[in-house]
Amino acid sequence: AQSVTQPDIHITVSEGASLELRCNYSYGATPYLFWYVQSPGQGLQLLLKYFSGDTLVQGIKGFEAEFKRSQSSFNLRKPSVHWSDAAEYFCAVGSGTYKYIFGTGTRLKVLA
Amino acid sequence: DAGITQSPRHKVTETGTPVTLRCHQTENHRYMYWYRQDPGHGLRLIHYSYGVKDTDKGEVSDGYSVSRSKTEDFLLTLESATSSQTSVYFCAISVIAGGPVTEQFFGPGTRLTVL
Repeated sequence: AQSVTQPDIHITVSEGASLELRCNYSYGATPYLFWYVQSPGQGLQLLLKYFSGDTLVQGIKGFEAEFKRSQSSFNLRKPSVHWSDAAEYFCAVGSGTYKYIFGTGTRLKVLA
Repeated sequence: DAGITQSPRHKVTETGTPVTLRCHQTENHRYMYWYRQDPGHGLRLIHYSYGVKDTDKGEVSDGYSVSRSKTEDFLLTLESATSSQTSVYFCAISVIAGGPVTEQFFGPGTRLTVL
């Protein structure tokens, strides 16, 4: 069955430190992968996406993610975190039938 | 901004009452979705629509019905609300990103509390 796992429920980092949020997926075919961010009380905003080609994708707000087929992973990274990055982050896989499967989310806290 | 609005944004209701949430889009996208978001569960698909009068169930459809009589509106109805349906509800649309691939864009959400 298709699934998305975000193993870290909460992550705390200091402002200026680097960040990596983990995402593992289970999907039989070539996946379409997404990262969304949700600020408190807001909807979800698309950060970046992977469809094909270069496995390192760049997104908005200085985020990037790397698709590793051998590890079934699509981890989100940022070299230097800002206090405004505090939010919840969701990984999702597109099933190819216009439906997505979402992970359970990782809540990021940023220490000043 | 994909031109998605949801109404109401907040609602408190009592167990057993019917509730209808509305999602409105301004860009004539074919696919529309209703999700619920609960702590520890992420987003779970309730129902989706692939055209006027064309709808299908998602993974958590029990207790919910939907209707789509116009391209721009997708309604979610709780026939008899229960406390387990207290949640934040998000509407989304799919936009073709290239070939068979789509991107989903989300509305601002509706916070529903069932007492």
